[in-house]
Amino acid sequence: DQQVKQNSPSLSVQEGRISILNCDYTNSMFDYFLWYKKYPAEGPTFLISISSIKDKNEDGRFTVFLNKSAKHLSLHIVPSQPGDSAVYFCAASAQGGKLIFGQGTELSVKP
Amino acid sequence: DVKVTQSSRYLVKRTGEKVFLECVQDMDHENMFWYRQDPGLGLRLIYFSYDVKMKEKGDIPEGYSVSREKKERFSLILESASTNQTSMYLCASRRTGTGFPYGYTFGSGTRLTVV
Repeated sequence: DQQVKQNSPSLSVQEGRISILNCDYTNSMFDYFLWYKKYPAEGPTFLISISSIKDKNEDGRFTVFLNKSAKHLSLHIVPSQPGDSAVYFCAASAQGGKLIFGQGTELSVKP
Repeated sequence: DVKVTQSSRYLVKRTGEKVFLECVQDMDHENMFWYRQDPGLGLRLIYFSYDVKMKEKGDIPEGYSVSREKKERFSLILESASTNQTSMYLCASRRTGTGFPYGYTFGSGTRLTVV
């Protein structure tokens, strides 16, 4: 049973436009959510996180939105840059437990 | 700067070989994890360890075992390598306790090819 789902395996966006990556979850006990970014032949690196007591967290060009009633979170990248091209994983945790990862979305930002 | 170091970036092994993947962290983290990444399947948890000498099965432990004799080192063992174990293997660690973020620090990964 996939508790964290990223239904779009890939996304292509023009440089300067907004990238929106989506993630759905099923476990209502999740209280902390994270996004990781992964380049080929490298390990994932932490990007941004949000606690379930918030509905938005912003860090520079990156904003994560959480809709608890819909069990949905999204990552917005504005403006998108070619260096943002990577695989993005969302992850969730319940009460400090191990992270559950989604399948990943490959973002391609075209110049 | 904190580090999770995986001993090899690329490995090629033969079917039936016993394979050791090593991971060392210098952050005094209690938790350590082994994942494999395959296209379309995301990050799948193989084994994890909450502390020294402890180990727990993840979602796909079959064909693997682990060892954690020291806090800083977590080894993944492929008992008899098979071609379906060709994958990118990622090690991660995390500090526990209140006040620490829940996120993991990952190593750079080991691309294992079994021929």
